[in-house]
Amino acid sequence: EVQLVESGGVVVQPGGSLRLSCAASGFTFDDYAMHWVRQAPGKGLEWVSLISWDGGSTYYADSVKGRFTISRDNSKNSLYLQMNSLRAEDTALYYCAKDIGYGGNSGAFDIWGQGTMVTVSS
Amino acid sequence: QSVLTQPPSVSAAPGQKVTISCSGSSSNIGNNYVSWYQQLPGTAPKLLIYDNNKRPSGIPDRFSGSKSGTSATLGITGLQTGDEADYYCGTWDSSLSVGVFGGGTKLTVL
Repeated sequence: EVQLVESGGVVVQPGGSLRLSCAASGFTFDDYAMHWVRQAPGKGLEWVSLISWDGGSTYYADSVKGRFTISRDNSKNSLYLQMNSLRAEDTALYYCAKDIGYGGNSGAFDIWGQGTMVTVSS
Repeated sequence: QSVLTQPPSVSAAPGQKVTISCSGSSSNIGNNYVSWYQQLPGTAPKLLIYDNNKRPSGIPDRFSGSKSGTSATLGITGLQTGDEADYYCGTWDSSLSVGVFGGGTKLTVL
């Protein structure tokens, strides 16, 4: 079964750091680009970051650039999001999502995890 | 303020057809493929349409997509109460090098 399972979401204080993980199974992980997408409570979807299949290229939304770092370990079929200098506005459900395009970034996400909740609050 | 513009809500009766629009610019919809997602309450988004008009395996042909210039449209025919959900369009913005989504459209099946 093709599956993505996120973990690492907790309550953290403003200015704090957190690392999210996403475990992939059921497909050849290193054939696909991967994304993080977030959704604040009661709000719409916001794209956060993209990493190429080999980790050689990364992209970020302006709202997180310089604070968040996306990475992957293809030997462990895992995707990560290191989140630093967290702000209240980073409070959201964070989804990892698989790009549908083989070997590249198509901008479409065919597999989503269930999400992990990050709450930034004092 | 989302980069892509969708109507906040649409509604129609069971069995009817509805369309949801998504408007962007030349740097996003105009030069990239559009995808559409359905998000049922309390669940993760689900891909309905990719590459403007392709349906993943398992998505019924009641769902269709089209693109013209800098706008895209999702069509749903034979509406069912189970189609009540939030719908999002998405694409890549080549100028900003970021992914972008519409603000979402809430579909009510009356």
